[in-house]
Amino acid sequence: GIQVEQSPPDLILQEGANSTLRCNFSDSVNNLQWFHQNPWGQLINLFYIPSGTKQNGRLSATTVATERYSLLYISSSQTTDSGVYFCAVETAGGTSYGKLTFGQGTILTVHP
Amino acid sequence: SAVISQKPSRDICQRGTSLTIQCQVDSQVTMMFWYRQQPGQSLTLIATANQGSEATYESGFVIDKFPISRPNLTFSTLTVSNMSPEDSSIYLCSVEGLAGGPSAYNEQFFGPGTRLTVL
Repeated sequence: GIQVEQSPPDLILQEGANSTLRCNFSDSVNNLQWFHQNPWGQLINLFYIPSGTKQNGRLSATTVATERYSLLYISSSQTTDSGVYFCAVETAGGTSYGKLTFGQGTILTVHP
Repeated sequence: SAVISQKPSRDICQRGTSLTIQCQVDSQVTMMFWYRQQPGQSLTLIATANQGSEATYESGFVIDKFPISRPNLTFSTLTVSNMSPEDSSIYLCSVEGLAGGPSAYNEQFFGPGTRLTVL
């Protein structure tokens, strides 16, 4: 099956710093999503981005599908950004429709 | 996006018992899924809940252990049977494809999860 690798596994920042999270995947994808899991376990949708670039406030994401990677940028980080960031992909192909494969996540800690 | 609720939000159960988790969506959706997140781990797909037919299970998951129902386009249940401490996890349902929406748009949304502890 498809492999999804996220880096770095852990990231510690001071409030106000910028960061880049990376997601590499091993096969063509129909769907790529970034999620933030808060301390209560809720998965928050950040971006639906199978290709291209999107921005939402301090967050932006870029997926280069031909090179099989995606980047999540967090600017001017805040303590509320702390949590786990997951990248998840859906492999291209009929039998994988809707089935998301998750990376292992990046644990982000933002200190005041 | 759809509003997704799960019941119960958390539970503590004794080994050997079973727990049924409910997932309710406020609008009709094409696809519903169940995921498991073991402590400190990522999410793993258990099965696709098919409306009106048997669920489709991923490798390593079987119907006897995780029976799933989906009687309509807005509701599904997952039962964790004959539980052991290894079943302690967060169980999440997800949905994709609002009925009547564009077929090419397949963003997936997750419920708040059910945190299960088995003693």
